[in-house]
Amino acid sequence: SAVISQKPSRDICQRGTSLTIQCQVDSQVTMMFWYRQQPGQSLTLIATANQGSEATYESGFVIDKFPISRPNLTFSTLTVSNMSPEDSSIYLCSVEDYGSSTDTQYFGPGTRLTVL
Amino acid sequence: QKEVEQDPGPLSVPEGAIVSLNCTYSNSAFQYFMWYRQYSRKGPELLMYTYSSGNKEDGRFTAQVDKSSKYISLFIRDSQPSDSATYLCAMIPTAGGTSYGKLTFGQGTILTVHP
Repeated sequence: SAVISQKPSRDICQRGTSLTIQCQVDSQVTMMFWYRQQPGQSLTLIATANQGSEATYESGFVIDKFPISRPNLTFSTLTVSNMSPEDSSIYLCSVEDYGSSTDTQYFGPGTRLTVL
Repeated sequence: QKEVEQDPGPLSVPEGAIVSLNCTYSNSAFQYFMWYRQYSRKGPELLMYTYSSGNKEDGRFTAQVDKSSKYISLFIRDSQPSDSATYLCAMIPTAGGTSYGKLTFGQGTILTVHP
């Protein structure tokens, strides 16, 4: 399976600022996904990021708040803009690994964000 | 009503017990079913992947899918303290279309296996 890393692993930010989270994969993948996991909750898909096209956002998530870049097949970034305490969450990227025998998703370790 | 329902627990069992974790779903379009294990402060780790109804076994883990009842289960035999984690079920529709690739997760069940 693909090996996924995220930076930073955690951060504490002030209200009104922005944070960019990086996701790096050790192999080329077509589909990358960004999820949010709020405290005590399950994972909610924010957007799908495919290389060469605009990210596709789920209901309740907008590009102005969560701009995403996907410059190549091994890298993506998610920015959390104009943060508020409600954005405190774990942000996870995942990839769909077509090289494996299943077309399911593998997750990075997550970025734990606290907004004060 | 949520598309996927999972009892959040917490579930506490003694070492060696058989653990049964379950999810129900309402969307008949779901065709692929997964179980992820998430340790504290870590990302979800894929445990089991199944397609279609039936059982799939991998070591101490057995995944069961009953599409007619829209019900999936994960059984852990001879549970160990190292199995203590949150277990998340996840589902995905048939390949193709606008729903392709979109995992829908259950809430997760917190499991503690005590020595």
